[in-house]
Amino acid sequence: SYGLTQPPSVSVSPGQTANITCSGDNLEDEYVSWFQQRAGQSPLLLIFQDTKRPSGIPERFSASMSGNTAILTISGTLTLDDGDYHCQAWDKNNYVMFGGGTKLTVL
Amino acid sequence: QVRLQESGPGLVKPSQTLFLTCTVSNASISSPNYYWSWVRQPAGKGLEWIGLIYSSGNTIYNPSLRSRVTISVDTSTNQVSLRLKSVTAADTAVYYCARENHSGWRFDSWGQGTLVTVSS
Repeated sequence: SYGLTQPPSVSVSPGQTANITCSGDNLEDEYVSWFQQRAGQSPLLLIFQDTKRPSGIPERFSASMSGNTAILTISGTLTLDDGDYHCQAWDKNNYVMFGGGTKLTVL
Repeated sequence: QVRLQESGPGLVKPSQTLFLTCTVSNASISSPNYYWSWVRQPAGKGLEWIGLIYSSGNTIYNPSLRSRVTISVDTSTNQVSLRLKSVTAADTAVYYCARENHSGWRFDSWGQGTLVTVSS
């Protein structure tokens, strides 16, 4: 089982905005990261510390917090954004938690 | 640019011990700025954190795997190792090593992953 809850799938049309949620107990007290994982590839860090983008990540990827729910927003979605998206946080015992992953389909 | 490379047997028999190594290039595993983690992913499923090791050698393990897992480092070879004993088919997965960077508490580097199949 996963400590964080994500929807299994999200669909979006190219050019539209996709929102992927991640919920967990006391998530507002922890830093959340988001990863993109294309088919057959390793996870790629998209967002850390709730809202920060590493260098090289396009501005169309952004994130926010609403209470105990983290939200990844992909604006102007491209077909190459198709893949799995994972949220991650640390719990109070320094354990690492992942969400179950959300499959984003761009069609 | 840091590079992480997992290696080890692709096939392990049930009840035996899985042993993987992660060779780190362009970063020192002794640095206090990083933790080193193992994460696995069964086919078609999400990521599961296995555990991590500090530069001091202290470890934290996923409670669900703690009784079977050992993570260690070899500073002479700049490698991080994973031992998982008494494996079953449920341990079949792609295994990744990943670096956690304290600057932002982020997993900023991942290996390409290695598939381990548990089967007789």
